[in-house]
Amino acid sequence: NAGVMQNPRHLVRRRGQEARLRCSPMKGHSHVYWYRQLPEEGLKFMVYLQKENIIDESGMPKERFSAEFPKEGPSILRIQQVVRGDSAAYFCASSPPNGAGPGGYTFGSGTRLTVV
Amino acid sequence: QQQVKQSPQSLIVQKGGISIINCAYENTAFDYFPWYQQFPGKGPALLIAIRPDVSEKKEGRFTISFNKSAKQFSLHIMDSQPGDSATYFCAASPISYNTDKLIFGTGTRLQVFP
Repeated sequence: NAGVMQNPRHLVRRRGQEARLRCSPMKGHSHVYWYRQLPEEGLKFMVYLQKENIIDESGMPKERFSAEFPKEGPSILRIQQVVRGDSAAYFCASSPPNGAGPGGYTFGSGTRLTVV
Repeated sequence: QQQVKQSPQSLIVQKGGISIINCAYENTAFDYFPWYQQFPGKGPALLIAIRPDVSEKKEGRFTISFNKSAKQFSLHIMDSQPGDSATYFCAASPISYNTDKLIFGTGTRLQVFP
């Protein structure tokens, strides 16, 4: 069991480009969560998805950010027209479908996005 | 109301000493309080967690103390070791409200010196 896989580990984008971050949940997990960690800060919830459904996107910025978790393939966090303030570590977590919630979270190692 | 306040920001402890990290919250709907350990370049890993129906939970050298009336909880690391050097985050969640999201504190960077 490879755990939660995130790629790329590091991503550099110029201002105005698009960033795509991928997350493959643990085997058997069907719930995916994205968190953002700014330097010297804690993690901030962004979005909670199940297969083909967005359950809670209350932490997503209103513009430029979107997330999906298709029937097949990894979950994708997409940031359009990146700005310097988007530079952060983005973590994905997954949990099993039995309603374990945060107690069942397993985090990936994150994608560190740098906008230059 | 959604915040979890964590202190201190950084902590230096001698090997064998006790490390204590404190957190406070306002939202009385929170009913799940985990602590996470994060090493550089890694994602957070669950260390220990508590529900508000108990005042203390111990797992090995790690203990959570919970004060429901004061809305505070703390992590105690006994016999601290250099391998414990990491960033520690407290968090809270109102899981009884069918939400799976965690509200994190700002983190404490712990350094344990030999």
